[in-house]
Amino acid sequence: KQEVTQIPAALSVPEGENLVLNCSFTDSAIYNLQWFRQDPGKGLTSLLLIQSSQREQTSGRLNASLDKSSGRSTLYIAASQPGDSATYLCAVNTPEEGAQKLVFGQGTRLTINP
Amino acid sequence: DGGITQSPKYLFRKEGQNVTLSCEQNLNHDAMYWYRQDPGQGLRLIYYSQIVNDFQKGDIAEGYSVSREKKESFPLTVTSAQKNPTAFYLCASSIYRNSPLHFGNGTRLTVT
Repeated sequence: KQEVTQIPAALSVPEGENLVLNCSFTDSAIYNLQWFRQDPGKGLTSLLLIQSSQREQTSGRLNASLDKSSGRSTLYIAASQPGDSATYLCAVNTPEEGAQKLVFGQGTRLTINP
Repeated sequence: DGGITQSPKYLFRKEGQNVTLSCEQNLNHDAMYWYRQDPGQGLRLIYYSQIVNDFQKGDIAEGYSVSREKKESFPLTVTSAQKNPTAFYLCASSIYRNSPLHFGNGTRLTVT
């Protein structure tokens, strides 16, 4: 059974720092991996999707990498801002026929201090 | 603007009552999903539907039911058989299997 782990559970850094969030998964047979952002009391917003054949994806100040063989993904945030404060979740898409059945990590709660 | 609308935002019910959560999307997405989120836990899949009039159980379907009579709508009923119904419920949709999931803003259900 696929399991997804995110460490640390919470992270607090000063504004302007570059930071890395980690995601690990137990079964390398994934279809894709997605990173989401969740603000308190809100739904999830998709940030990046990395296909199983890709090594990384970039969107603005965000860069996500994928190493399937080691079961790891990282989300790199450059020049962090207070508006980046949120919970970040990763999810892996298992290759079940026709379905997008995501397995989620528990998330990393990020606080950027002005 | 296209998106997913969940209503209501907050819902309160007495134990033993069934309750239905609404999810509507105008993104023309074929697939729709219901997730449950509890404090300190990741999201868990309740039900999903890939086409109209068809749906499949997720990992925690017991005590829940769904219907998919229209492409735009995927309501979730939390029945009295669900032992711990108090949670944050999230509806999502996607165009196809390898596309990002779009989420609604959730419904927080409290059962007392």
